[in-house]
Amino acid sequence: GAGVSQTPSNKVTEKGKYVELRCDPISGHTALYWYRQSLGQGPEFLIYFQGTGAADDSGLPNDRFFAVRPEGSVSTLKIQRTERGDSAVYLCASSVDGTRREQFFGPGTRLTVL
Amino acid sequence: GNSVTQMEGPVTLSEEAFLTINCTYTATGYPSLFWYVQYPGEGLQLLLKATKADDKGSNKGFEATYRKETTSFHLEKGSVQVSDSAVYFCALSSGQGGKLIFGQGTELSVKP
Repeated sequence: GAGVSQTPSNKVTEKGKYVELRCDPISGHTALYWYRQSLGQGPEFLIYFQGTGAADDSGLPNDRFFAVRPEGSVSTLKIQRTERGDSAVYLCASSVDGTRREQFFGPGTRLTVL
Repeated sequence: GNSVTQMEGPVTLSEEAFLTINCTYTATGYPSLFWYVQYPGEGLQLLLKATKADDKGSNKGFEATYRKETTSFHLEKGSVQVSDSAVYFCALSSGQGGKLIFGQGTELSVKP
């Protein structure tokens, strides 16, 4: 079956612009996670959805970052007023449920803010 | 708070050499421990995991044992291959929701 997909694979934007990053999880997976990976670092947790609701958004760095999952499947990460420091690879992962089972990662979206 | 510390890379080995990548953690409660691998140009993949103390995870010749007394989860392989060249991430999951906390990654380069 299909794995986790993310679009776009690359996004270049200018400082101050708004961007949306999309994640399609594995069908049937109720848990969805967003992480951010800066160059040379491990992924950092941003937000976790169980179904449609954000069960843990403690990793969002500030109120410019927001994510939704309105129908419990596809999720969109939204970044307002982008800053150069937002440049990173944004990873999405899904798992069967919100326990400590394996998370399956997508290929990521590389965001570059000029 | 919870954290993971890995040995710094890059690590360069000759083919068939023995590999150890050290990983230690700090966590409240009883975390699950993972090793993820990122091959060049590919996404993160789960390599192995252990969910309780003294468990040994193993896959593709790699092994790691969950040591609660030393809060460690070192990755080992007896004989590395060129195809093992990748970045390896140690991670833990604790509490509800299963969010992962990663170490900074260790790049492994295996030369023929």
